[in-house]
Amino acid sequence: AQSVTQLGSHVSVSEGALVLLRCNYSSSVPPYLFWYVQYPNQGLQLLLKYTTGATLVKGINGFEAEFKKSETSFHLTKPSAHMSDAAEYFCAVIPATVLGKLTFGQGTILTVHP
Amino acid sequence: DTAVSQTPKYLVTQMGNDKSIKCEQNLGHDTMYWYKQDSKKFLKIMFSYNNKELIINETVPNRFSPKSPDKAHLNLHINSLELGDSAVYFCASSQMGRGYGYTFGSGTRLTVV
Repeated sequence: AQSVTQLGSHVSVSEGALVLLRCNYSSSVPPYLFWYVQYPNQGLQLLLKYTTGATLVKGINGFEAEFKKSETSFHLTKPSAHMSDAAEYFCAVIPATVLGKLTFGQGTILTVHP
Repeated sequence: DTAVSQTPKYLVTQMGNDKSIKCEQNLGHDTMYWYKQDSKKFLKIMFSYNNKELIINETVPNRFSPKSPDKAHLNLHINSLELGDSAVYFCASSQMGRGYGYTFGSGTRLTVV
């Protein structure tokens, strides 16, 4: 079965520092990959996605992610953290073999310190 | 505004009651979903409908019954509510096809007391 692993349930950075949130998937066939963000007491907002084509994808709010097939990874980065980036981030996949089932990782809470 | 809207936003009810959550999308998508987010924030799919037909039915107690009167609406009815049903329930929609992301509603926080 398709699975998604987010390494680190909590990540803490200083304002202005690099943000790196890790995501690995398990699948012999690369799935479609997504990052969502959830602010406190709100719904999920799509940050970015990889389907086909360029492996470095840019999303909203200055985030980007790179699909690395050899590492089965789709890590999320942002060069300079802002206080407003504090939220929970979810990596998610839709596998190549089963239609229409978005499966989420466990989530990573990002804390940004002044 | 184009969106996925679900009502109510908060729902507090006693054990044993029956309740419904409604969801509507005006994005023209053909597929709708219900997800449950537990107290540890883990998100798990419950049901999916494509053009009013049930296509995903995960291992969910049969006290939970989804209904899709048309492709823009997907409701969730829960019978005989239990304490363990307390969670945030999210509705989502998408256009069938693996490359499309899902658009989520803002969630319904269900508390069973």
